[in-house]
Amino acid sequence: SYELTQPSSVSVSPGQTAKITCSGDVLAKKYARWFQQKPGQAPVLLIYKDSERPSGIPERFSGSSSGTTVTLTITGAQVDDEADYYCYSVADNNVIFGGGTKLTVL
Amino acid sequence: QVHLVQSGAEVKKPGASVKVSCKASGYPFTSYEISWVRQATGQGVEWMGWINPKSGNTAYAQKFQGRVTITRDTSISTTYMEMSSLRSEDTAVYFCARGFAWNDGSDYWGPGTLVTVSS
Repeated sequence: SYELTQPSSVSVSPGQTAKITCSGDVLAKKYARWFQQKPGQAPVLLIYKDSERPSGIPERFSGSSSGTTVTLTITGAQVDDEADYYCYSVADNNVIFGGGTKLTVL
Repeated sequence: QVHLVQSGAEVKKPGASVKVSCKASGYPFTSYEISWVRQATGQGVEWMGWINPKSGNTAYAQKFQGRVTITRDTSISTTYMEMSSLRSEDTAVYFCARGFAWNDGSDYWGPGTLVTVSS
């Protein structure tokens, strides 16, 4: 079965650039997506097809891909961006989630 | 706009079953599959399975095969997730979500339903 691996935590200061990686063999052949989840809230889609942003998502959120690793970049991170971030992908009628990364902005 | 409204919190005893509903609005119900995902407190998310509302076809994660049943009622744009033989480890928030199968930026999550399994 497929697995996606993320760092458990990332910390940045406000205004800095945060990068969160997600690695897995499935990413060599399937697109990745990212969602943001704040405590007690439902997840919100940030990025799909590795680098596409849904309408309404700020431009400071971007995605990129290289081989079996995808990266979520938050340029000019804000305190309000402090949340959990998950990558996920769909393959063989299964949805695979990464373990999630807690982003701290302080 | 898109809305996924889920049923209220449940408290169940070990060995019991639970059925959670998810009512969709704001888009053609049969246009997107609905997935069920769970998240234990402080833990990551776990995909359980999905249903194609148009055909009724389902797919389940291996872990939940045989213990989870996902159904739908197209007349009221509602999807259901039923889990049997509940145990304490099933205590979690259960989310419905649409669009995972399409990858067109249409992913949307419901607010979640807390299911507590306790004797």
